[in-house]
Amino acid sequence: QQQVKQSPQSLIVQKGGISIINCAYENTAFDYFPWYQQFPGKGPALLIAIRPDVSEKKEGRFTISFNKSAKQFSLHIMDSQPGDSATYFCAGLSGTYKYIFGTGTRLKVLA
Amino acid sequence: KAGVTQTPRYLIKTRGQQVTLSCSPISGHRSVSWYQQTPGQGLQFLFEYFSETQRNKGNFPGRFSGRQFSNSRSEMNVSTLELGDSALYLCASSLGDEQFFGPGTRLTVL
Repeated sequence: QQQVKQSPQSLIVQKGGISIINCAYENTAFDYFPWYQQFPGKGPALLIAIRPDVSEKKEGRFTISFNKSAKQFSLHIMDSQPGDSATYFCAGLSGTYKYIFGTGTRLKVLA
Repeated sequence: KAGVTQTPRYLIKTRGQQVTLSCSPISGHRSVSWYQQTPGQGLQFLFEYFSETQRNKGNFPGRFSGRQFSNSRSEMNVSTLELGDSALYLCASSLGDEQFFGPGTRLTVL
């Protein structure tokens, strides 16, 4: 019940294309859903986050779409750039101060 | 504002030894969490501290322990190291729900 399932495991996109990463959760107590971006040798960096009372949040080229009834949310990267090549993690947070992370998606954007 | 800092950045230990890792949170952040990151298991939650109290704990053996000091700095300790403890150990500090990670400590157990 605590899991966050993330797909795909890896993704290759052409420069300028749209990258889409999906996550599904089971715990309905989750009330905060962040996405993190991690480059090799670095810690994860908070990219964008959403709460379940909102269906979509956009920040620059990054958009989260949230479907509460399906218990799914996704990250869309518009106009993907080679500099976006990184590993992306979704997560869920409930009131127990414990983040549950997805297994990560390795994105490669081809120049 | 300075980010989360972790020391040391790299450690090499042998089986059976113990290790202590340190984390300094972002100024003003009172919550500190620790994670283990491995290629096979992803980011696994170890424990979370707030105002020197452990509020939550993940599913790790008792060899993994932590503490937090009155200035919010935190340490984690791993005793009787095993080969499988080789990983990147990440510390994160939080203000509210937003969590910010440090660069991690890369621990290699030989």
